[in-house]
Amino acid sequence: SQQGEEDPQALSIQEGENATMNCSYKTSINNLQWYRQNSGRGLVHLILIRSNEREKHSGRLRVTLDTSKKSSSLLITASRAADTASYFCATEQSGGYNKLIFGAGTRLAVHP
Amino acid sequence: GAGVSQTPSNKVTEKGKYVELRCDPISGHTALYWYRQSLGQGPEFLIYFQGTGAADDSGLPNDRFFAVRPEGSVSTLKIQRTERGDSAVYLCASSPQGGPRETQYFGPGTRLLVL
Repeated sequence: SQQGEEDPQALSIQEGENATMNCSYKTSINNLQWYRQNSGRGLVHLILIRSNEREKHSGRLRVTLDTSKKSSSLLITASRAADTASYFCATEQSGGYNKLIFGAGTRLAVHP
Repeated sequence: GAGVSQTPSNKVTEKGKYVELRCDPISGHTALYWYRQSLGQGPEFLIYFQGTGAADDSGLPNDRFFAVRPEGSVSTLKIQRTERGDSAVYLCASSPQGGPRETQYFGPGTRLLVL
């Protein structure tokens, strides 16, 4: 079973626009991570935010975490065609578990 | 340095056959994970190794699935009596020590198709 749910399921934007993807989860977590996947193959780690952090930046990426609402958002600013991919949030549950629980993902298409 | 590698990239087999999928983690990483990703879904956890031992195999769907890591590096996921529902991309990941808040590094996956 999957813990997280991303929304929207699919997002289509023009180059230069910002893309926002949201993730909700169900249980207490140690951290939340965002991954990117091209063409249904290997996942690339983008950013990790710990449960005691509220916001984190990495280049054009901004992640927020609201543990009271059990939700996170990923913002990609000034999007590029190369950002076209599927984006997944993944949670590591509290209690020392090491397995990641992924959502179903958001498929982002950035048009030139 | 070299990342996580998986072989084969693609595997086509017939229902009822046995398959082995291999994962080479990043050198020195003690933690290794297997996930399965069905079309249009996120990856689902199968099993986690800490060294040679399976620390958590709660995600294996049934006893047709088995994984080993005899020397604490390379791992093999074994599927017996394959079924069409086993068709998916099987992803392997490794991390340095398996501790909390560690980044997991994923391989490119093996796409398994059971006819």
